[in-house]
Amino acid sequence: DTAVSQTPKYLVTQMGNDKSIKCEQNLGHDTMYWYKQDSKKFLKIMFSYNNKELIINETVPNRFSPKSPDKAHLNLHINSLELGDSAVYFCASSQDRGFEPGWGYTFGSGTRLTVV
Amino acid sequence: GQQVMQIPQYQHVQEGEDFTTYCNSSTTLSNIQWYKQRPGGHPVFLIQLVKSGEVKKQKRLTFQFGEAKKNSSLHITATQTTDVGTYFCAAPSYNNNDMRFGAGTRLTVKP
Repeated sequence: DTAVSQTPKYLVTQMGNDKSIKCEQNLGHDTMYWYKQDSKKFLKIMFSYNNKELIINETVPNRFSPKSPDKAHLNLHINSLELGDSAVYFCASSQDRGFEPGWGYTFGSGTRLTVV
Repeated sequence: GQQVMQIPQYQHVQEGEDFTTYCNSSTTLSNIQWYKQRPGGHPVFLIQLVKSGEVKKQKRLTFQFGEAKKNSSLHITATQTTDVGTYFCAAPSYNNNDMRFGAGTRLTVKP
């Protein structure tokens, strides 16, 4: 059973389109995240939800809107896609903030978004 | 912004050589975590360090947390091709809401 699963794995779309990425975790974690990884591998946090409540909303264009229907799901909707949105988007989860020894973050396998 | 500075950005080694990556913070950290991301893969949690001066080992990997809890290192002894990937450290954000990742060190190993 995959602990954190994201779909789709690959997404190729045209500029201006709207797309969604879905994430589900079966670890019973109460906190979920979206990260963007650019071509230089830098992992930048975008959003964090704890028990369906938005905790972190970094400086992200408001074309990006997260939605958490329950604590096991965190989806990412992107409006009016731009070329610069091309990246790998990772979903992750943790118990609380992931600070407890030995827990850390569990990442999904990523969604490679290419905007053409 | 970024909480920890990680160096080097890239490291190319011959198989069998040792490798070290370093993370430095200007503030005292409550904990630091290390992750490995294989090419084409996702970050995988390796370890968390909490105590001042802590040293932990996982086979050929040695993790250290500095006495002042402001720096950390990951050392790999006698690298193998399976060690290839990007190694990230992560530290709590300034408001302790989440973990912030260093820029990563990309390791390549020449057989």
